[in-house]
Amino acid sequence: GAVVSQHPSWVICKSGTSVKIECRSLDFQATTMFWYRQFPKQSLMLMATSNEGSKATYEQGVEKDKFLINHASLTLSTLTVTSAHPEDSSFYICSARDLRTGGGSNQPQHFGDGTRLSIL
Amino acid sequence: KQEVTQIPAALSVPEGENLVLNCSFTDSAIYNLQWFRQDPGKGLTSLLLIQSSQREQTSGRLNASLDKSSGRSTLYIAASQPGDSATYLCAVRGLSGNTPLVFGKGTRLSVIA
Repeated sequence: GAVVSQHPSWVICKSGTSVKIECRSLDFQATTMFWYRQFPKQSLMLMATSNEGSKATYEQGVEKDKFLINHASLTLSTLTVTSAHPEDSSFYICSARDLRTGGGSNQPQHFGDGTRLSIL
Repeated sequence: KQEVTQIPAALSVPEGENLVLNCSFTDSAIYNLQWFRQDPGKGLTSLLLIQSSQREQTSGRLNASLDKSSGRSTLYIAASQPGDSATYLCAVRGLSGNTPLVFGKGTRLSVIA
């Protein structure tokens, strides 16, 4: 089955640091990547959608200059939290979908295992 | 805008009991509905996916039903086990284009041995 690898799984850093999270599709080509954020005991909230080679589309209330998304290849997307602060501490999960294989828009979303970000 | 609600928010049952988790969504124009399991601090495990044209899906002790017109789905777990303890998330996918899954807040299930 399709595998999405997310790295790192856990990061602790000081306030003001920039943190990069990688999301890789290991055995398929991810034409679309979704980035979600999950606060404790809350649901997964979509942050942004990125299509390979295009700029990401951010959800309302998500600062694009703070959460930089790069989807330069069909197997890798990165989320960089710039100048992170304690309120950015959360669980970040990426998800990938390949629209190009047979089945078109019926392709499911495949999820990474998430990154727990703790800002001190 | 699609909203997904899950009831109850938390549930504690003794081992062996059958249970039902509920999910409702405001916009019935969906492509499919999916149930996930999430263990504490972990990612998502897909349990069942129901296409909009389907009424139910079964996998082992799990059965998910879908009533698209009323905007409801249920996840039935038979003969619950302590290993079933986790948060169960319901998510729906809209019809238009490459839309992402929209999630409910989940139901935290504890099965007591």
